[in-house]
Amino acid sequence: NAGVMQNPRHLVRRRGQEARLRCSPMKGHSHVYWYRQLPEEGLKFMVYLQKENIIDESGMPKERFSAEFPKEGPSILRIQQVVRGDSAAYFCASSPPTADTQYFGPGTRLTVL
Amino acid sequence: DAKTTQPPSMDCAEGRAANLPCNHSTISGNEYVYWYRQIHSQGPQYIIHGLKNNETNEMASLIITEDRKSSTLILPHATLRDTAVYYCIVRVGREYGNKLVFGAGTILRVKS
Repeated sequence: NAGVMQNPRHLVRRRGQEARLRCSPMKGHSHVYWYRQLPEEGLKFMVYLQKENIIDESGMPKERFSAEFPKEGPSILRIQQVVRGDSAAYFCASSPPTADTQYFGPGTRLTVL
Repeated sequence: DAKTTQPPSMDCAEGRAANLPCNHSTISGNEYVYWYRQIHSQGPQYIIHGLKNNETNEMASLIITEDRKSSTLILPHATLRDTAVYYCIVRVGREYGNKLVFGAGTILRVKS
């Protein structure tokens, strides 16, 4: 049973470009969470999604960041007009509909030049 | 904000048991205690969780005090690969929201 998949593992963008981070949950999991870890800082919750619904986006920056989890395909975290402060590791986690335990992917390391 | 208190770092000799404490004095009756760890800069790895009974799995044991105000994660035979940051998290069940709130954790260094 494959774990949570994230791609790309490393992403380099220049300031002002867009970054798209993808997350495929574990098989049978319909809940997806995104977390961000800034350099030398702790993990911070960003958003919680179920299929086609955003359940909790209390940790998302108000501008430039968006997330979706369509009926088909992976969850996408989109960052528009990236700035250097967006450089971080972005982790996705998933959980099944009948349990609370979240399982994390390997992360995407975003570097903004 | 995180509702747990953990020591910032601990050392453990390889092959010995590692006992990682966590204080959660304000825990509510419906809150679980979860443990995760993060090895270097990898994704956090789920270890174990419990509500009030002690729990054991292939990775570790979780001992929760009777008043539930503190707990201890036990790695019975620590290896060098167990060197990581260990996070103790308290959270309610699904119906109250699902986000994990990570604190600073405990850096466990296993030494040969």
